[in-house]
Amino acid sequence: EADIYQTPRYLVIGTGKKITLECSQTMGHDKMYWYQQDPGMELHLIHYSYGVNSTEKGDLSSESTVSRIRTEHFPLTLESARPSHTSQYLCASSEHRSEQYFGPGTRLTVT
Amino acid sequence: GQQVMQIPQYQHVQEGEDFTTYCNSSTTLSNIQWYKQRPGGHPVFLIQLVKSGEVKKQKRLTFQFGEAKKNSSLHITATQTTDVGTYFCAGPSTGNQFYFGTGTSLTVIP
Repeated sequence: EADIYQTPRYLVIGTGKKITLECSQTMGHDKMYWYQQDPGMELHLIHYSYGVNSTEKGDLSSESTVSRIRTEHFPLTLESARPSHTSQYLCASSEHRSEQYFGPGTRLTVT
Repeated sequence: GQQVMQIPQYQHVQEGEDFTTYCNSSTTLSNIQWYKQRPGGHPVFLIQLVKSGEVKKQKRLTFQFGEAKKNSSLHITATQTTDVGTYFCAGPSTGNQFYFGTGTSLTVIP
């Protein structure tokens, strides 16, 4: 079983609140990713990182930001949550061009 | 940008029937990966194909990578209820992004 963790697992929050979704992995992987997935739909890459102090935006336009200060930690922050941000957020990590290990996901609901 | 399409989007089969999902990329892929996501779960890696024309088997699952490295398929022989889920292919762009396909949702009717 992959050692990648996400907290919280579920979050219900009001519009305008700032939130941070946590993601940690203990495998020492350089590559980390954040995906957004609506129920039953495809995964959309919103951010990725090649390593410490390296972050890039994915194809899906997102109002979130990420940071990579430590190899094992890749938090995602929404400065002002909106109902359109309601979705599942999946974090993943990998070695170079190899399989991705996914965390259990955070199901976010913005009311 | 790169696009990875899968067909069909949904498939319902009787238990014991075969199932195939097809993955097509708008660009040549250096490799392709397949993932399975159970309802309510997260994607789990199944396999990676690298060579043109490569075929790999995992028990009842057969994976193929096209000669032109722009398409791939996953075939399940004699489906079981444990095969239920959504199957995604994923391919790399330049750099280290991976684009996931649109997915095929499989329902197996007992």
